[in-house]
Amino acid sequence: QKEVEQDPGPLSVPEGAIVSLNCTYSNSAFQYFMWYRQYSRKGPELLMYTYSSGNKEDGRFTAQVDKSSKYISLFIRDSQPSDSATYLCARPHRSNYQLIWGAGTKLIIKP
Amino acid sequence: DAGITQSPRHKVTETGTPVTLRCHQTENHRYMYWYRQDPGHGLRLIHYSYGVKDTDKGEVSDGYSVSRSKTEDFLLTLESATSSQTSVYFCAISLSGTSADTQYFGPGTRLTVL
Repeated sequence: QKEVEQDPGPLSVPEGAIVSLNCTYSNSAFQYFMWYRQYSRKGPELLMYTYSSGNKEDGRFTAQVDKSSKYISLFIRDSQPSDSATYLCARPHRSNYQLIWGAGTKLIIKP
Repeated sequence: DAGITQSPRHKVTETGTPVTLRCHQTENHRYMYWYRQDPGHGLRLIHYSYGVKDTDKGEVSDGYSVSRSKTEDFLLTLESATSSQTSVYFCAISLSGTSADTQYFGPGTRLTVL
């Protein structure tokens, strides 16, 4: 079992829709998770952190952690074609100097 | 983009040949990483460096070596390239090295081993 799992997609939605991207994890010992966004043929870039309790909102983006089900979600409101990218979730490695990455979900926003 | 460049950006090579990829940063960050990215696997850490001449292995280090003789440069060498090393290679940097720290990525090198 992978430590961080994501549906690879692609997930295709019309512009303006609310998007839900999900990630499951197998080890609940960690207090925070990250979402990175990767545009085609580019390196990933940090989108936002989320801690293991509560939601975090940043503009059109909301990150949520459900510890009981070991589920991490990223919601995008009013989705735009510029949101088309691959979204990667990551959590700390037990060594605390590395990250464990999900394989990413490819998102396509259709105009 | 953070000041990270990778060279070459694309390379095609033959099985058995040595290959060296270069990562150069202008941010003076102490920590540098080499990842490979393959469909279905996401990012996997190959090696990382926590200072000049200080390096350690990641989860997929077999067949790879690294060197860091200057803060700004981190080299990844494939000693004898194999087809299984066909991948996109990303360099990343971070300031503190803790897993909570933001990692900044380079543009990637697309390597094909025939």
